Amino acid sequence: QSVLTQPPSASGTPGQRVTISCSGSSSNIGSKTVNWYQQLPGTAPKVLIYSNNQRPSGVPDRFSGSKSGTSASLAISGLQSEDEADYYCAAWDNSLNGAVFGGGTKLTVL
Amino acid sequence: EVQLVESGGGLVQPGGSLRLSCAASGFTFSDYWMSWVRQAPGKGLEWVANIKEDGSEKTYVDPVKGRFTISKDNAENSLYLQMNSLRAEDTAVYYCARLRRSPWYFDSWGQGTLVTVSS
Repeated sequence: QSVLTQPPSASGTPGQRVTISCSGSSSNIGSKTVNWYQQLPGTAPKVLIYSNNQRPSGVPDRFSGSKSGTSASLAISGLQSEDEADYYCAAWDNSLNGAVFGGGTKLTVL
Repeated sequence: EVQLVESGGGLVQPGGSLRLSCAASGFTFSDYWMSWVRQAPGKGLEWVANIKEDGSEKTYVDPVKGRFTISKDNAENSLYLQMNSLRAEDTAVYYCARLRRSPWYFDSWGQGTLVTVSS
């Protein structure tokens, strides 16, 4: 049982826009910034969004993040086949003094 | 280029011990907090432990407290995870990750090393 809640799956067709939600509490998302990680099959995770809505260099602007209260979301526009991956949200948790992750969302490009 | 290379994984019996290593290069290792994150087979990510730049602060997720110890050798540019009293539920790929603190995020990850706890 993960501390942050994500839908287990999401899907879309090429070119579509999809969103993935992430729900937490006042001790994590409600008081700290949210990050999103992409894990392509058989590889290590890679940061996609940090500080709620910042993209590291090299991440396409098709990926965007937002946060409101104790929830966050990741949006992917212009969906491409190479976006098929697992996506994880993460937040710092004050009570744990460590990171907490969502259970992950498997994105399928139909 | 930042590189993190884990080693030391393998098959161990329940109750046994294992020491994971992470060799860092491409950055000033002593300037960064470091972390271990694990992923059980077919499951999601779980943060395991953090260590401060100079090793003076360490934090752990509850299930590993008292059994795992994170350490850092800045002279050798290496991060370690000593795992004792291993349980079947510790079976996972263990990733070494560089931790940015302000804002916080894991900005670089190693390729992972698999630990299997089984008799």
